[in-house]
Amino acid sequence: SQTIHQWPATLVQPVGSPLSLECTVEGTSNPNLYWYRQAAGRGLQLLFYSVGIGQISSEVPQNLSASRPQDRQFILSSKKLLLSDSGFYLCAWGPRASVMVKQYFGPGTRLTVT
Amino acid sequence: GIQVEQSPPDLILQEGANSTLRCNFSDSVNNLQWFHQNPWGQLINLFYIPSGTKQNGRLSATTVATERYSLLYISSSQTTDSGVYFCAVSGAGSYQLTFGKGTKLSVIP
Repeated sequence: SQTIHQWPATLVQPVGSPLSLECTVEGTSNPNLYWYRQAAGRGLQLLFYSVGIGQISSEVPQNLSASRPQDRQFILSSKKLLLSDSGFYLCAWGPRASVMVKQYFGPGTRLTVT
Repeated sequence: GIQVEQSPPDLILQEGANSTLRCNFSDSVNNLQWFHQNPWGQLINLFYIPSGTKQNGRLSATTVATERYSLLYISSSQTTDSGVYFCAVSGAGSYQLTFGKGTKLSVIP
């Protein structure tokens, strides 16, 4: 069966520090991968998605970037965190298909920027 | 892009009661999913239902694509049903889900 991992589970970082969040998927190949942010416990905002290694699409201009160095690894990064980057970050995967089917979420990372 | 509206925004139920959550969307979709987010933040996929009706235990969902809405039914609610329920859709040729703002359900004993 497929599983999706995210780490760390929680993170407290000062303003101006760098960020690296990692997401890995097991039990599937060539998945579509997604990064979402959820603020204030409601409403998920799509940040990035990837349909293959090195292929990243950005949905919202911001202080963040994403990379996909391996087929089942998706990384969210920032060079300098802002207070507004605080939130709950969720990684998700979906099977590679001609149309989108189900999407599955990881456990998330709670980021607090102080 | 597609707009997704969920109602009601908040719902408080007595344990054992039934409820209906609604999701309206502004354009035709080829994908609609219902998720439950538990109090610890984990999002669980409940249904993939771009059209028709599905049932899974006490939960069922119906999507009427031609009228651009979907309904999630919860019967005999339990305290473990508490959390936020999200509807998410995508249009033809899109790999991106657009989420509604969710319905926060609180089931009290």
